[in-house]
Amino acid sequence: GQQVMQIPQYQHVQEGEDFTTYCNSSTTLSNIQWYKQRPGGHPVFLIQLVKSGEVKKQKRLTFQFGEAKKNSSLHITATQTTDVGTYFCASANQAGTALIFGKGTTLSVSS
Amino acid sequence: DGGITQSPKYLFRKEGQNVTLSCEQNLNHDAMYWYRQDPGQGLRLIYYSQIVNDFQKGDIAEGYSVSREKKESFPLTVTSAQKNPTAFYLCASRATSGRSSYEQYFGPGTRLTVT
Repeated sequence: GQQVMQIPQYQHVQEGEDFTTYCNSSTTLSNIQWYKQRPGGHPVFLIQLVKSGEVKKQKRLTFQFGEAKKNSSLHITATQTTDVGTYFCASANQAGTALIFGKGTTLSVSS
Repeated sequence: DGGITQSPKYLFRKEGQNVTLSCEQNLNHDAMYWYRQDPGQGLRLIYYSQIVNDFQKGDIAEGYSVSREKKESFPLTVTSAQKNPTAFYLCASRATSGRSSYEQYFGPGTRLTVT
């Protein structure tokens, strides 16, 4: 079945360093969504990408969707302690009725 | 104040007992979802429902049951047949039409511990 693989599983950075998480699939994805879950919290929607090669920015966060629509990345510039949490990518199943989530990348930031 | 509520936040049960987790939304969303979260495993889909009185199995439905008698409510029963029920359970909902119909909204979760 459809799967999205996410790497790395964990990442620790010093405050001010950049961070990137990657999401990969063996099949073409109709879309890719990104969610953030703070420690002890629940996932919160960040963004959806739909078009091949799409790039979207939210302040220090840059989201990319690959040209072949099989991979995506989330890049955070100059991390802050408020960026701590687990970042998930997700993509719609073939019927478009549910999301398939990656296992997430947990980011920790030391000041 | 619109949103999704799950209760209780923490739940403790003895092995062999069925337990029902509550999920209520007042967002007028048609679709609702149940996920299970274990450390390092991401979010795994248990059941989902696109409309009242209809639901589908997700990837890990064995040992769980659901009902969707009302649009606002999608309770999940963890039965004694579920071999490893201790986990964090998340409920989510989604509009099925409109500008943001792809975005899932999550409840705060219920942490179930079975001993």
